[in-house]
Amino acid sequence: AQSVAQPEDQVNVAEGNPLTVKCTYSVSGNPYLFWYVQYPNRGLQFLLKYITGDNLVKGSYGFEAEFNKSQTSFHLKKPSALVSDSALYFCAVRVLRGGADGLTFGKGTHLIIQP
Amino acid sequence: GAGVSQSPSNKVTEKGKDVELRCDPISGHTALYWYRQSLGQGLEFLIYFQGNSAPDKSGLPSDRFSAERTGGSVSTLTIQRTQQEDSAVYLCASSFRAPNEKLFFGSGTQLSVL
Repeated sequence: AQSVAQPEDQVNVAEGNPLTVKCTYSVSGNPYLFWYVQYPNRGLQFLLKYITGDNLVKGSYGFEAEFNKSQTSFHLKKPSALVSDSALYFCAVRVLRGGADGLTFGKGTHLIIQP
Repeated sequence: GAGVSQSPSNKVTEKGKDVELRCDPISGHTALYWYRQSLGQGLEFLIYFQGNSAPDKSGLPSDRFSAERTGGSVSTLTIQRTQQEDSAVYLCASSFRAPNEKLFFGSGTQLSVL
């Protein structure tokens, strides 16, 4: 079965430092990978996606993610963290399985940026 | 509308009562999803509708849960004989058909079962 794992429940980073939120995946086919963000009291918002092509994907709010097939990872990164980046981040994977192609989410990682 | 609309935003009910949650997807989106978000549990897939195809109900946790989508648009998630463990935020999302398309989420319905 397809799945994603986010090994960290919480990540703490000082403002201005680089941040990484980890995600690994397990699928039998070619994965479509996504990152979503949930700010407090708001719905989930799309950040970026990897479908094919360049392994480094750039998304909203200065975030990027690197697809690594050998390590089955899709870590989210940002060169310089902002306090406003504090939120709950979800990694997700989607695989074509005939007519059923649901999106499977990880458990989420709380990112806390300290001033 | 401009986005996915869910109602009510909050619902408090007594154990054993039935509840209905509504989702109005973005116009033109053929795919519609229901997820449940509980504290510490992440996002749990419940059910997926795609056009006129039979829905993927593989995520429904029990036969107390059901959902329908009328006319390929509005969807209703029904929970019968609610239990306290049903308390969660129920999220609806919609997208175009292609699997590489992003999902647009509603703000969710916070369900509290007393």
